[in-house]
Formats: sequence, structure tokens, C-alpha cells
Amino acid sequence: GAVVSQHPSRVICKSGTSVKIECRSLDFQATTMFWYRQFPKKSLMLMATSNEGSKATYEQGVEKDKFLINHASLTLSTLTVTSAHPEDSSFYICSARGRAGVAQYFGPGTRLLVL
Amino acid sequence: AQSVTQLDSQVPVFEEAPVELRCNYSSSVSVYLFWYVQYPNQGLQLLLKYLSGSTLVESINGFEAEFNKSQTSFHLRKPSVHISDTAEYFCAVSITSGSRLTFGEGTQLTVNP
Repeated sequence: GAVVSQHPSRVICKSGTSVKIECRSLDFQATTMFWYRQFPKKSLMLMATSNEGSKATYEQGVEKDKFLINHASLTLSTLTVTSAHPEDSSFYICSARGRAGVAQYFGPGTRLLVL
Repeated sequence: AQSVTQLDSQVPVFEEAPVELRCNYSSSVSVYLFWYVQYPNQGLQLLLKYLSGSTLVESINGFEAEFNKSQTSFHLRKPSVHISDTAEYFCAVSITSGSRLTFGEGTQLTVNP
């Protein structure tokens, strides 16, 4: 149980394009989803927290107009990196938490490379 | 605010040796504690968690961690490691009334033959 998937696992795009990453909870309802960014050999940096049906809460320093988050259902959240630039290249990981749960369950991550 | 300190960034050990990965936290309120493991190019997998009750928690693959409130620690131990345990290990905390996780910087465990 508690499986979270992400799609795509890897994406290469040109500078200036937008990229959408999907995060799905496969066997539970995720009332809260989280988006993290991880730099090489570094810990995870929380970007935003989203609750189903409401606007995401962004961490300080994260541009909400650049990193669009949608949590339209209890099993799906999307992160769209708009007008991507090379400095947006990173490993993006989502996690999900159920209604009565405490632990977060993580997706396998999406490696984004912006050329 | 909470903080987590993982004292060792890298821990090299030989196969079948015991290992301890250290984690200390700071918080003014009660916390939940977690250990996650990350294999190369993968997401994080929950290894074990302490929410309440017994201060010693165990995972299915032989790891255990003990919550020590007086020392504000949650060290991870395994009596005999395998090559397959090579991975990055993250300690994390969340406050009981909230949901965001605060992560430590991670410890790279490398098990050598």
C-alpha cells in the first residue's frame, strides 16, 4: 500500500518551454501533496504544499507563477514548470499524505534537464 | 521551528559490520520522527517512523531506531549490513499538529565487500 507514482521519470526540454509533471497516489486518497526539489548530493527542499481543491501554499522564495501546482483530485497533483530555464534543471519529487495519516509517501522523482 | 542534524555525511562500512547513523533534532514542541532511504535516482522510501508509544521502532529489513527524548536523538542502527543497504538515508521530523517534514542533510551509507 501507499504507492505514489510520478510521470515522466525523466524529461529534457528546451529553454523557454513549459513542462508538466504528474504525481499520483495509486492506492490511497491523498488529501495533501507536497512538491520537493533536490539538488545533487543535497537534501530535499520543500517547494509547496497542496490540499485537494484549494490553492497551494508556497515556501518562501519559490515563485508561484513559475511553478504552477494543481491538486484537482484526491489522487492527482501536477507541477508545471513554466518558461523553464537551465537553472530549473533538478530532481523534482512529490509526496502524498492520506486523510488520517502522518507519514508522507514519496514518488520516484522526475529528473528535469533544461537545455 | 524544527531542525534536524545528521552528524555524518558519509559512513563507509564493511559488509556484515554493524552501523549507526546519527540524527539529532531540535523542536520546542512534540514531534514525529522518520527515517527515509533513497537509492540512486529514485525517490524516498519510508524506512520507519516514531509517532508514540515504544521508543524503539523496527523496520522489516533489520533496521531499528530509538527515540531518546532527553538527548533529542533518533539514531538508526543495523547490527549487520548488506551491500544492498548502500544508499542515502534521511532523518526527518514533523510537529504533531502539522504536516510538513523537515529533513536532515542526509547520510550516505556505503557498504563495501
